[in-house]
Amino acid sequence: GENVEQHPSTLSVQEGDSAVIKCTYSDSASNYFPWYKQELGKRPQLIIDIRSNVGEKKDQRIAVTLNKTAKHFSLHITETQPEDSAVYFCAASMGSGGSNYKLTFGKGTLLTVNP
Amino acid sequence: DAGVTQSPTHLIKTRGQQVTLRCSPISGHKSVSWYQQVLGQGPQFIFQYYEKEERGRGNFPDRFSARQFPNYSSELNVNALLLGDSALYLCASSFSNQGEQFFGPGTRLTVL
Repeated sequence: GENVEQHPSTLSVQEGDSAVIKCTYSDSASNYFPWYKQELGKRPQLIIDIRSNVGEKKDQRIAVTLNKTAKHFSLHITETQPEDSAVYFCAASMGSGGSNYKLTFGKGTLLTVNP
Repeated sequence: DAGVTQSPTHLIKTRGQQVTLRCSPISGHKSVSWYQQVLGQGPQFIFQYYEKEERGRGNFPDRFSARQFPNYSSELNVNALLLGDSALYLCASSFSNQGEQFFGPGTRLTVL
């Protein structure tokens, strides 16, 4: 089955700096890659996603890049703010006929933004 | 609009007991997926239901079962509870099999 590796497990940055979280996946058939943010005691929140027919997607301070050949994708957060502090999860999905029901998650990255 | 809701929020059971967790998807969403999140780990896929049919099952024992009702709400049942079943159980809904998945707040299950 699919396996998703996520690095680093913890990341500490100063407010205003950029943060990068990287994930690799094992199954070349995976075609959907969402990122979730989970604050302590709260639900995972979808922050951005990318499909395999796109190499990069940006939404304000957040961007995701996908390299299908190398089977890795990355989350980039610019101008970090203390409220960005949370655990971030990457995930990959391989669905038949375009379905993406089975998300395989990485183990998460605890991001701390120091004021 | 209400998001995904789950009940109960917390549950304490003893080994060997059975538990039923409930999920109501976002209005208009027809797909519900269940995930188990152990502390310090990412969520693990258990089941997906779409249009009231099971469309996917993760690597969980037969003690885990689920169903989806005509109103698209769903229940997850776990029989013969083990200590290792202690986790946060998350429900996620999406409009279709191809849609983004939105998570509920989860049910925290503790097995003593």
